[in-house]
Amino acid sequence: DIQMTQSPSSLSASVGDRVTITCRASQRITTQLSWYQQKPGRAPKLLIYPASILKTGVPARFSGGGSGTEFTLTIANLQPEDFATYFCQQTYRSPPTFGRGTKVEI
Amino acid sequence: QVQLVQSGAEVKKPGSSVRVSCQASGGIFSKYAVSWVRQAPGQGLEWMGGVIPSLTKTHSRQKFQDRVTFTADESTTTAYMELNNVSSEDTAVYFCALGFYGSGLFLPFDYWGQGTLVTVSS
Repeated sequence: DIQMTQSPSSLSASVGDRVTITCRASQRITTQLSWYQQKPGRAPKLLIYPASILKTGVPARFSGGGSGTEFTLTIANLQPEDFATYFCQQTYRSPPTFGRGTKVEI
Repeated sequence: QVQLVQSGAEVKKPGSSVRVSCQASGGIFSKYAVSWVRQAPGQGLEWMGGVIPSLTKTHSRQKFQDRVTFTADESTTTAYMELNNVSSEDTAVYFCALGFYGSGLFLPFDYWGQGTLVTVSS
């Protein structure tokens, strides 16, 4: 299985900050990388796929980048509703696998 | 509007089986693959496998292959996941999720159910 390694596992930030989360794949996955946001007690929400394409309705302060094995999710001008856990996922090869998540805390 | 509604929470004894349902509305059931993803308490997300209703085809992650069954009923737009011989390690929230399927791959999940908590305890 392709291993997805996210860093950091958690971070503290303030409203208005810019934060970046990194996701590394154990092998090349081209741009078959997604980012999800999950809030406590809720299902994940797909934000970005593939790699840098925002899903409809996702605010432009979110951006994704990278290809191959290294990817980033950046949130500019952090808003109160952005405090959540973020997961990356590869769908280049079955089984689809997720990173362990990054919790963005106030 | 696409909506996935899952069955309610379950409490099971070790060694028993659990079946979770996921009913889709919004007319897209036949266009998507239904995946099942679980999340143990305080943990990450784990894809278990899924079913492609239009192809009557299923995929199971190797670690669950002997214990899990995925089915779908197109007439009721409902998918099911049955997990056998459960243990405390299967205690988790189980989500159904819809995404496209192509070239043998389950693509990212655009729609998710609300989750079903399965607790395994003696």
